Amino acid sequence: DAGVTQSPTHLIKTRGQQVTLRCSPKSGHDTVSWYQQALGQGPQFIFQYYEEEERQRGNFPDRFSGHQFPNYSSELNVNALLLGDSALYLCASSFVQRHEQYFGPGTRLTVT
Amino acid sequence: GQQLNQSPQSMFIQEGEDVSMNCTSSSIFNTWLWYKQDPGEGPVLLIALYKAGELTSNGRLTAQFGITRKDSFLNISASIPSDVGIYFCAGQEGTTDSWGKLQFGAGTQVVVTP
Repeated sequence: DAGVTQSPTHLIKTRGQQVTLRCSPKSGHDTVSWYQQALGQGPQFIFQYYEEEERQRGNFPDRFSGHQFPNYSSELNVNALLLGDSALYLCASSFVQRHEQYFGPGTRLTVT
Repeated sequence: GQQLNQSPQSMFIQEGEDVSMNCTSSSIFNTWLWYKQDPGEGPVLLIALYKAGELTSNGRLTAQFGITRKDSFLNISASIPSDVGIYFCAGQEGTTDSWGKLQFGAGTQVVVTP
């Protein structure tokens, strides 16, 4: 049973650029959530997608956007990158009616 | 920012000792989850709790959902070297607009010495 997968593993971008991160949920899961984890801190909720729509959003600016595809996979897009966007970006999947979220290995984004 | 207060921040223990950590929130939660994260990896779900007073075990791990619904506790018995890592509590408030939003504590770093 495949778990949550994310790509790429690492990414280095320049300030002002745009980035797209990808996530495939655990088999059978229909809901995908994205989190940002800064060094030494717990994950911070960005948003959640279900039925190809954003249904919950945390305190992140509009530069952060996402998409969910019919096969439940998801993308996180960040525009106009800032140095402070450097972090580990985690994707988590779940069943819509369940609160247990299962995390992928993350994408380490470095903005220079 | 994070609304969960997790303590202690770090623990240095000897192999075989028991470990206790806790998490408190300023608001009522309807779900508490405990995760472990190893360096360079994503958090791994250890235990999920859904009812006030609930006590749930997973091997040597035991977690409790506080009666006030504003706290949770995790105990690790007879620690072994592979227990090393960062343990996070996470919770979800019992409001409609919080559905699916997990709030995380800052983590408890556990170091086990032989």
